[in-house]
Amino acid sequence: AQSVTQLGSHVSVSEGALVLLRCNYSSSVPPYLFWYVQYPNQGLQLLLKYTSAATLVKGINGFEAEFKKSETSFHLTKPSAHMSDAAEYFCAVRSAGGYNKLIFGAGTRLAVHP
Amino acid sequence: DSGVTQTPKHLITATGQRVTLRCSPRSGDLSVYWYQQSLDQGLQFLIQYYNGEERAKGNILERFSAQQFPDLHSELNLSSLELGDSALYFCASSVASEGELFFGEGSRLTVL
Repeated sequence: AQSVTQLGSHVSVSEGALVLLRCNYSSSVPPYLFWYVQYPNQGLQLLLKYTSAATLVKGINGFEAEFKKSETSFHLTKPSAHMSDAAEYFCAVRSAGGYNKLIFGAGTRLAVHP
Repeated sequence: DSGVTQTPKHLITATGQRVTLRCSPRSGDLSVYWYQQSLDQGLQFLIQYYNGEERAKGNILERFSAQQFPDLHSELNLSSLELGDSALYFCASSVASEGELFFGEGSRLTVL
């Protein structure tokens, strides 16, 4: 069965610093992987997705993620954090059972301080 | 704006009551998914419909039920409500072949 583990429920960075949010997955088939962001009192918004094309995926708001099969990882990065990046981030894997059901990690809350 | 509409945005009710949450998917999307988000359980998949038919079931309680109508909107019915059912309920829709879900803003249910 597919699963996702996000290391670190809370991450705090300074404005302008590198953002690194970790995600490891378990999948019995080649995975489709996603990162979503949730701002307070809002729904989830897609940041980026990996669908077996390029291993380095660029998303919105300057975020990118690299798929590493050998490490079963899909970590999310951004070179320079902005105050507006403060939110909760979720990594997800598409279920192998088909029909596009996504299985989400527990989430990482990112705080950005001046 | 994702194009997925959920109503109501907020709902406060008492234990033992029944509520209905409504979702309108993005234009053209045939799949609808329901998720529950709570502090202790995180984002849990409840159920999925595709073009009116149930396709996948997750951790959905027997007190909960859902359906998708011919116009593709979906409703999630929660009955015999308990305090622990207080959560944010999300609806999402997708084009089946893409694997990307578009989420509504959620319905926040508070059971007192």
